[in-house]
Amino acid sequence: NAGVTQTPKFRILKIGQSMTLQCTQDMNHNYMYWYRQDPGMGLKLIYYSVGAGITDKGEVPNGYNVSRSTTEDFPLRLELAAPSQTSVYFCASSSGSKGRKLFFGSGTQLSVL
Amino acid sequence: ELKVEQNPLFLSMQEGKNYTIYCNYSTTSDRLYWYRQDPGKSLESLFVLLSNGAVKQEGRLMASLDTKARLSTLHITAAVHDLSATYFCAVDEDNDMRFGAGTRLTVKP
Repeated sequence: NAGVTQTPKFRILKIGQSMTLQCTQDMNHNYMYWYRQDPGMGLKLIYYSVGAGITDKGEVPNGYNVSRSTTEDFPLRLELAAPSQTSVYFCASSSGSKGRKLFFGSGTQLSVL
Repeated sequence: ELKVEQNPLFLSMQEGKNYTIYCNYSTTSDRLYWYRQDPGKSLESLFVLLSNGAVKQEGRLMASLDTKARLSTLHITAAVHDLSATYFCAVDEDNDMRFGAGTRLTVKP
């Protein structure tokens, strides 16, 4: 199984540009999450979804948007990129049952210059 | 607001020594997780603790959960170099999964 797949692995954006980070999982998990990790820091929750068509804000949602049209896919959209969005982005999924262990993708390293 | 605090944030220890990492959290959740992250890599799950008094062990690592004290510990026994990594605890409340800042562990010969 591929698990959680994120693309791209690396990206450099100019200030004001937009992009979409892709995340797909093949484990039929209902729950999906987007986190960002700044250098030497922990993970901060951006958005999460408990199923197709349902999304909700996490701790740091400003500057981002998400959609969940299918169980498998949970893309994260950056509009008008800013240097403060330079970070490593992780997508994760879980089954949603009690004991919600997260399965993480390999991450996307984004630089906004 | 759900808050998760880990300490210490940095830990340098010698091989063969024991140490404990602490994770305090602010809610009544009984679901706590430990993850490991190697430099430049993603996170992998270590332990899932789902009730007060839960204890899980894997090799030289043992995790426990005290929901009354809102505290989880990750105990390292006879550390070896391969355990060098950053360890995160995470607390699950409703659908919000919050992480601590991480403990960067370095095990020296």
